[in-house]
Amino acid sequence: NAGVTQTPKFQVLKTGQSMTLQCAQDMNHNSMYWYRQDPGMGLRLIYYSASEGTTDKGEVPNGYNVSRLNKREFSLRLESAAPSQTSVYFCASSEGTSNTGELFFGEGSRLTVL
Amino acid sequence: DAKTTQPPSMDCAEGRAANLPCNHSTISGNEYVYWYRQIHSQGPQYIIHGLKNNETNEMASLIITEDRKSSTLILPHATLRDTAVYYCIVVHNQGGKLIFGQGTELSVKP
Repeated sequence: NAGVTQTPKFQVLKTGQSMTLQCAQDMNHNSMYWYRQDPGMGLRLIYYSASEGTTDKGEVPNGYNVSRLNKREFSLRLESAAPSQTSVYFCASSEGTSNTGELFFGEGSRLTVL
Repeated sequence: DAKTTQPPSMDCAEGRAANLPCNHSTISGNEYVYWYRQIHSQGPQYIIHGLKNNETNEMASLIITEDRKSSTLILPHATLRDTAVYYCIVVHNQGGKLIFGQGTELSVKP
């Protein structure tokens, strides 16, 4: 099992460009999350999806949209990238009905916006 | 979800026990305490969790006070590879938002 897979691992964008970060999990988990982590900082929750077909805002949702495409996939879209969105983005999943706080994280996607 | 407070940094000598405190004074009865660690630039890794009883696994022990307002993660024999940022979070038993704080940066020194 691959666990949680994020693509791309690295991306450089120009201000105003759009892109989508992809996340897929093969653990049949119900819940999925997107976090961002700025240098020297903790993780901040952008959006989460408690179950297929639902999404909710986290701490820092502005400038992002998400899609829970199916149970496996949860994508994060930047419609018009800004330098303030330069960060490392982590996707995570959890079983969602028991051990709800046990998250499995991907390796991260490092985004630079020039 | 309840917030947590952790010291920003701690040092520990290699081979000694590392005791990492966490305050969660507003925790409610249906919220669990979870601990994670993040080794530089990697995704966070789950360590242990508990509700009100002390817990132990192969990685660590978790001590939760009787009033549940604070907890301590214990790494019994710290190694250099335990150098990481450790996060304490409080999670509702129905899931939902999982909010990470700033964590404690643990430095294990030879």
